Amino acid sequence: QKEVEQDPGPLSVPEGAIVSLNCTYSNSAFQYFMWYRQYSRKGPELLMYTYSSGNKEDGRFTAQVDKSSKYISLFIRDSQPSDSATYLCATLSSSNTGKLIFGQGTTLQVKP
Amino acid sequence: GAVVSQHPSRVICKSGTSVKIECRSLDFQATTMFWYRQFPKKSLMLMATSNEGSKATYEQGVEKDKFLINHASLTLSTLTVTSAHPEDSSFYICSAFRTERNTIYFGEGSWLTVV
Repeated sequence: QKEVEQDPGPLSVPEGAIVSLNCTYSNSAFQYFMWYRQYSRKGPELLMYTYSSGNKEDGRFTAQVDKSSKYISLFIRDSQPSDSATYLCATLSSSNTGKLIFGQGTTLQVKP
Repeated sequence: GAVVSQHPSRVICKSGTSVKIECRSLDFQATTMFWYRQFPKKSLMLMATSNEGSKATYEQGVEKDKFLINHASLTLSTLTVTSAHPEDSSFYICSAFRTERNTIYFGEGSWLTVV
């Protein structure tokens, strides 16, 4: 079993839709969770960062962590064609060395 | 704006030559940086962990003599691909660990083409 699981998609939605991206993880010791957005041929860009459980909102993006079910989510409201990218969930390894454990990434396409 | 800068963004080199890629943290000090390689439509593959003032830690299967890493200052790590071959052509990405925020920031990536 991978430490972080993510459905690779692809996911295709119409413009304006609410997008839900999800990951599960296996180690209850993980505390720090991140969502990155990667456009084609570019490095990943940090979108959201959360610690432990709860929600965090930033504009159209909401990150959610449910530690009881080991489930992390990213919601995108009013999705735009410019949101079309690959979204990577990640967590810091419990050794706190800064080493990231990634999900496989979900490819999202928002159609105009 | 970018907090980690990577240079060059694209480089073409001849087979057998060496090429250096730089990774800089712009507004924070990073004792730990990471180097990844990414193939088209694949996930990031960690190559090595770059530690300021000490030797890099390489992942299994990554040739230390092929991919030289130097982390001489708290804001700069370099990856040198030595004696490059066409199979080394890839997208190389660095990241830096911002310890006070427990957050990782990535560079923009470098496309290496070996001809």
